[in-house]
Amino acid sequence: AQTVTQSQPEMSVQEAETVTLSCTYDTSESDYYLFWYKQPPSRQMILVIRQEAYKQQNATENRFSVNFQKAAKSFSLKISDSQLGDAAMYFCAYYTSGTYKYIFGTGTRLKVLA
Amino acid sequence: ETGVTQTPRHLVMGMTNKKSLKCEQHLGHNAMYWYKQSAKKPLELMFVYSLEERVENNSVPSRFSPECPNSSHLFLHLHTLQPEDSALYLCASSQDGTSGSSNNEQFFGPGTRLTVL
Repeated sequence: AQTVTQSQPEMSVQEAETVTLSCTYDTSESDYYLFWYKQPPSRQMILVIRQEAYKQQNATENRFSVNFQKAAKSFSLKISDSQLGDAAMYFCAYYTSGTYKYIFGTGTRLKVLA
Repeated sequence: ETGVTQTPRHLVMGMTNKKSLKCEQHLGHNAMYWYKQSAKKPLELMFVYSLEERVENNSVPSRFSPECPNSSHLFLHLHTLQPEDSALYLCASSQDGTSGSSNNEQFFGPGTRLTVL
């Protein structure tokens, strides 16, 4: 069965600095997708960035980028120039193509210090 | 806003009550999901509906009963719940990933914070 592990329950970063959130997963599938979702306090969960497993190039979305290491089954999120609005719970998620199964990690709470 | 709404936002109920959670999506998606979110635990997928047919049911107790009358609406009927059922219940929708035509992104509602006394 697929699993997603986020080993950092909480992280802190100084405003304008860079932080990296870790995620590892386990699967025997070859066709899958990986996501980072953000859940601000008392607000809806939204997609930050997604990565198709068949793509070697790491996905980027403005200040957000991933380091996708397929062989190591690692999918970390880098947030550059951190802003106060980045404070939230961040969830790593895995999705097997052709199914309805989305597997989520336990989340990392990110605090941004002014 | 993500295009997915949930009501009520907060619910307190006794163990003998019957209540329902409602989810509505305005995105034209054909798959809808119920998740349970508890502190320090991964999101637990409870039910999945695709084209109004239930396609996943992850060993959820029968005191939770889903209903999907059409592709835009999803309900979760609750009866004789236990205190350990207290959690945030999230609804999500997506374009059916099995069709191969979606980007597989899920859109989440704000959740219903449920407290069972």
